[in-house]
Amino acid sequence: QVQLQESGPGLVKPPQTLSLTCSVTGGAITSGGYYWSWIRQHPGKGLEWIGYIYFTGSPYYNSSLKSRLSMSLDKSKNRFSLNLSSVTAADTAVYYCARGVARPPTYFFDAWGQGTLITASS
Amino acid sequence: QSLLTQPPSASGTPGQRITISCSGTRSNIGHNPVNWYQHLPGTAPKLLIHTTDKRPAGVPDRISGSKSGTSASLAVSGLQSEDEADYYCAAWDDSLNGVVFGGGTKLTVL
Repeated sequence: QVQLQESGPGLVKPPQTLSLTCSVTGGAITSGGYYWSWIRQHPGKGLEWIGYIYFTGSPYYNSSLKSRLSMSLDKSKNRFSLNLSSVTAADTAVYYCARGVARPPTYFFDAWGQGTLITASS
Repeated sequence: QSLLTQPPSASGTPGQRITISCSGTRSNIGHNPVNWYQHLPGTAPKLLIHTTDKRPAGVPDRISGSKSGTSASLAVSGLQSEDEADYYCAAWDDSLNGVVFGGGTKLTVL
């Protein structure tokens, strides 16, 4: 059974870059046609989809964050990463990584990490 | 502000049947399947329903999903204390070219 675990700095100072990593166990990130995804939840709010990186390494981002985002795969360590530049207080949230499954026309997340709280504050 | 609209709270007594609604638009629920997630704060969210009415392995058949037009519903029958959690609907949005979520519904078992 696949398991995901986020790791990150906890605190990031604006306007620095936030870097998060998601370690995957129980399955290779390069197999199965999965979409390795990031989702966040602002305090007291609902979920916001950030984007994904396909198992081939092709990324796809939420258009509202696209200019500040980059994602990558580290096949040797079976993990994937997110970089969000120029953070502001509005980026304070719990960040989740998840495995996305595409069954056109739907796309859903069948495994999630527990989430990591990121606070953007000076 | 979430693009899918859910009631902020719902409640029921053990054994009761409750439904949680999720309202969207033609570009999301009106054109694409709906997925539902269960979340206990501090834990990993769990896929409950995918492709509008499909249950992943391990999800009991007392949980079901449906859709009509631009609205979807999650039904939980035989309510149990373990069902107390936050529930989120989600769908692909063709206009935004991305996934949109509801604001979440907190289910309380009285």
